[in-house]
Amino acid sequence: QKEVEQNSGPLSVPEGAIASLNCTYSDRGSQSFFWYRQYSGKSPELIMSIYSNGDKEDGRFTAQLNKASQYVSLLIRDSQPSDSATYLCAVNMIESNFGNEKLTFGTGTRLTIIP
Amino acid sequence: GAVVSQHPSWVICKSGTSVKIECRSLDFQATTMFWYRQFPKQSLMLMATSNEGSKATYEQGVEKDKFLINHASLTLSTLTVTSAHPEDSSFYICSARDTRTGGQTQYFGPGTRLLVL
Repeated sequence: QKEVEQNSGPLSVPEGAIASLNCTYSDRGSQSFFWYRQYSGKSPELIMSIYSNGDKEDGRFTAQLNKASQYVSLLIRDSQPSDSATYLCAVNMIESNFGNEKLTFGTGTRLTIIP
Repeated sequence: GAVVSQHPSWVICKSGTSVKIECRSLDFQATTMFWYRQFPKQSLMLMATSNEGSKATYEQGVEKDKFLINHASLTLSTLTVTSAHPEDSSFYICSARDTRTGGQTQYFGPGTRLLVL
């Protein structure tokens, strides 16, 4: 079973601090990694995609990928109350039977930013 | 860009009726669309992969005769929940990949909340 694991939280971070979200995955052959944000009752919204080892920055968000350790993380700088949401890690995996590519999601980490 | 719409946003129906949900890519073409279901406090579960002009690929445990998928054009996929029962009540979300870019990024629609009485 190919898996994506996240700490379910809740993770509480003071406003203005850095929030760090972590994710590990089991399929060593995965090449595409995504972070989605999901507010309660809403559908997921893409925050970042990352394909190469290292860091990728976009505004207050930084995604980090380490394929050797099968680890991907998301850092949120200067956390705002509006960042309070569930963050889903998604990894593109190739299904062994049919070769189909599909996203496998972690269970999500619930983040609360405390004013 | 990369906007996906769904219709309806919510639906309440009686047990035994069928419900059709539409998923449209508004500003891009999508050869492949995906249908997910999410129960409260759980993560997204992929139900099926919808391919334009061909049969959908269903995940293990998803009944293809109950959840009918049609992907007749590059911008529209539909999911029909046939003979819906209360246990089918859930949040159904579609996503689409932009065919032009060839990337793996999936853009999600706003979701359809289904309540079966």
